[in-house]
Amino acid sequence: NAGVTQTPKFQVLKTGQSMTLQCAQDMNHNSMYWYRQDPGMGLRLIYYSASEGTTDKGEVPNGYNVSRLNKREFSLRLESAAPSQTSVYFCASNPLAFGELFFGEGSRLTVL
Amino acid sequence: TQLLEQSPQFLSIQEGENLTVYCNSSSVFSSLQWYRQEPGEGPVLLVTVVTGGEVKKLKRLTFQFGDARKDSSLHITAAQPGDTGLYLCAGHPGGGSQGNLIFGKGTKLSVKP
Repeated sequence: NAGVTQTPKFQVLKTGQSMTLQCAQDMNHNSMYWYRQDPGMGLRLIYYSASEGTTDKGEVPNGYNVSRLNKREFSLRLESAAPSQTSVYFCASNPLAFGELFFGEGSRLTVL
Repeated sequence: TQLLEQSPQFLSIQEGENLTVYCNSSSVFSSLQWYRQEPGEGPVLLVTVVTGGEVKKLKRLTFQFGDARKDSSLHITAAQPGDTGLYLCAGHPGGGSQGNLIFGKGTKLSVKP
């Protein structure tokens, strides 16, 4: 069982470059989420999608955009990367609105 | 504002010792979740507590939700090296939206053989 799959696992960007992090889940979950994890800061929500066709901002949405492509896929785009966006990004999904989150393995992004 | 405060931030103990990790808040939570995260992986749910005063056991791990639903604790008996990892508590503040799942900063546990 694949669960939640994120690509790429590692990426190095230069300031100003753009990129998209891809996330797919095969559990037929309605809701999907993007978090970033920084040392000493814990997990912070960037954006989430309660269901296909909807997206909402989380705690730290500035500098990011998202697309809920279909029920399985939820992508996170950095239009103009900044060093402050160096982080580990996690995609997650859950079948119930307030239920257990299932996380991917993370994507480590470094912006130089 | 950090709604969920975890303590201690770091904990290094010997195999066989007992330990308790705390997750505290001034806010009421409808439920609290505990996750464990190993290096290079995403967090994995250990347990969800939903009722004030609730105690749940998972092998050597005991989870408690405070009577007022503002705090929780995780107690590990006879810790083993396999318990090493980052322990995160998370919860939805009472009345919060689906996306408002707040995470604590975590307790990094190291159990030495």
